[in-house]
Amino acid sequence: GAVVSQHPSRVICKSGTSVKIECRSLDFQATTMFWYRQFPKKSLMLMATSNEGSKATYEQGVEKDKFLINHASLTLSTLTVTSAHPEDSSFYICSARGVLAGDHSGEFFGPGTRLTVL
Amino acid sequence: QKEVEQNSGPLSVPEGAIASLNCTYSDRVSQSFFWYRQYSGKSPELIMSIYSNGDKEDGRFTAQLNKASQYVSLLIRDSQPSDSATYLCAVNEGSNYKLTFGKGTLLTVNP
Repeated sequence: GAVVSQHPSRVICKSGTSVKIECRSLDFQATTMFWYRQFPKKSLMLMATSNEGSKATYEQGVEKDKFLINHASLTLSTLTVTSAHPEDSSFYICSARGVLAGDHSGEFFGPGTRLTVL
Repeated sequence: QKEVEQNSGPLSVPEGAIASLNCTYSDRVSQSFFWYRQYSGKSPELIMSIYSNGDKEDGRFTAQLNKASQYVSLLIRDSQPSDSATYLCAVNEGSNYKLTFGKGTLLTVNP
């Protein structure tokens, strides 16, 4: 259980184009999903928290107009990188909050999307 | 500012040895504690969660939590080369809060 998928796994695009990344919880409903970015050999950086049916909460320094997040259902959140530039090239990872034993919950990560902007 | 501190390593152990990974956290109201494993180029994988003081064992992994000392650790028994990865410690205040991650400890298990 607690499987999270991401699509696409890898994308190469030209500067100025927009890229949409999908995150799905396959076997559980996730009211909360998270989007992270990770540069090579660096730690995870939380970009935003996505709650189903409401606006995403962005971390300080993350441009909400550049990184559009939509959480339209309990199993799907999307991240759109608008007008991508080479500095947006990174590994984008989503996670979904799911229930562990008892009342506890944990975050389960998708496999990530490697974005390269030329 | 909530902080989670880990020794960045690299921690190098021989195959078959016990690997000990440590983590301290600053926020006393933290309630949930997690260990993730991340292989190079891959996303993190949840391997252990712990919520109460003491030890929790799962196969070769044992998580230890001491809330008074604000300390959580992960022991890996009979370490294998396939355990070589970065181990991330993460904490939160409870189910409705986002995780705060440490920067990770790179573990290398030498054959």
